[in-house]
Amino acid sequence: AQKITQTQPGMFVQEKEAVTLDCTYDTSDPSYGLFWYKQPSSGEMIFLIYQGSYDQQNATEGRYSLNFQKARKSANLVISASQLGDSAMYFCAMRDDYSNTGNQFYFGTGTSLTVIP
Amino acid sequence: ETGVTQSPTHLIKTRGQQVTLRCSSQSGHNTVSWYQQALGQGPQFIFQYYREEENGRGNFPPRFSGLQFPNYSSELNVNALELDDSALYLCASSAGRGPSYEQYFGPGTRLTVT
Repeated sequence: AQKITQTQPGMFVQEKEAVTLDCTYDTSDPSYGLFWYKQPSSGEMIFLIYQGSYDQQNATEGRYSLNFQKARKSANLVISASQLGDSAMYFCAMRDDYSNTGNQFYFGTGTSLTVIP
Repeated sequence: ETGVTQSPTHLIKTRGQQVTLRCSSQSGHNTVSWYQQALGQGPQFIFQYYREEENGRGNFPPRFSGLQFPNYSSELNVNALELDDSALYLCASSAGRGPSYEQYFGPGTRLTVT
């Protein structure tokens, strides 16, 4: 079974508007971490935001926020006030309990975001 | 603080050859993971090293092997290269194991097998 599912291969957003990138995950471990990364065309993965499974509040980092709905196993990324530099691939990732998985990250297939001027 | 670095940036090899990719972890990080990212896909976990020992492995054949050195830098070795090994290879380091540790990625090595 897929650990991370991103159902939006491509998204478009007008500059200065907000956009939500969807992510659902699957794990039976009670302790896990959810991450979002941005990958520009240069290839480097840039860490954006982290949400722990026990965190009561949604994570926020500047213009990025994570809409964490634990019961639905979703961890959507919200980007507010989109900028042209936000155009990139976005990956959702999960890391669950190290004793079972060796601490690996599971990545989704990514969403390509294009910001339109 | 020095980030994660990888070498070389690009590499072209012939099918059947062997290749070694190198990664220097971020200062203070003792855990290194390697990922393979095929074109248009998300990264796939190859293996992880924690304090010089392999600490988990993904679904990759034994011809993918690695090392971690006392300074926590790492190597990924791939023997008997196949065309499907063409991909971006990403190295990531973290300050420890456990779900809360974020991984910091290097710029990657783009391997082309002809």
